[in-house]
Amino acid sequence: DADVTQTPRNRITKTGKRIMLECSQTKGHDRMYWYRQDPGLGLRLIYYSFDVKDINKGEISDGYSVSRQAQAKFSLSLESAIPNQTALYFCATSDSAGPGRTDTQYFGPGTRLTVL
Amino acid sequence: DAKTTQPNSMESNEEEPVHLPCNHSTISGTDYIHWYRQLPSQGPEYVIHGLTSNVNNRMASLAIAEDRKSSTLILHRATLRDAAVYYCILRGNQGGKLIFGQGTELSVKP
Repeated sequence: DADVTQTPRNRITKTGKRIMLECSQTKGHDRMYWYRQDPGLGLRLIYYSFDVKDINKGEISDGYSVSRQAQAKFSLSLESAIPNQTALYFCATSDSAGPGRTDTQYFGPGTRLTVL
Repeated sequence: DAKTTQPNSMESNEEEPVHLPCNHSTISGTDYIHWYRQLPSQGPEYVIHGLTSNVNNRMASLAIAEDRKSSTLILHRATLRDAAVYYCILRGNQGGKLIFGQGTELSVKP
């Protein structure tokens, strides 16, 4: 079974709809991240969380919100989807930084979202 | 966060070594150099990281310049499966978020 799973894997929706993308991990990591990737570009950070009570904005948080329901779950919401939010969305997890820890990020398979 | 500069694309022949360069002239003393790669239709995956000394693992080697202003990811024998976008990223010693650039798209010819 995959360590980091994302649901749904593909979603087509209409402008103005509320959408939730979900991420679950079985790695026991404290840190979780949401990125988006546009065609031909690298990933950009939307939000990140270092533990259940911690939420931080990334580079491009406008139009998005997140919820960290438990250590293993981190959800990304688009309250009112717009076409320029069409992109590939990736969730990632990492262990806390510290002695002997690499803080490697592990990515999910991605969710392809299309907003019409 | 300090910035990295990589060539947009590189080509290699199968079973030959590949040297992927990265410039990071504004690196700070506590920044680690991380490399990730993204295979087609997949999420990025960790390749290797280092601070000052050269590093080797089962996937690749990382050669870091003495002044740390540049580094090179070395794939010793490229395979078709190594065709991917390779990202060089600097991270502080507290870890956390990754700032991705455009990366280098590596193509491998049979």
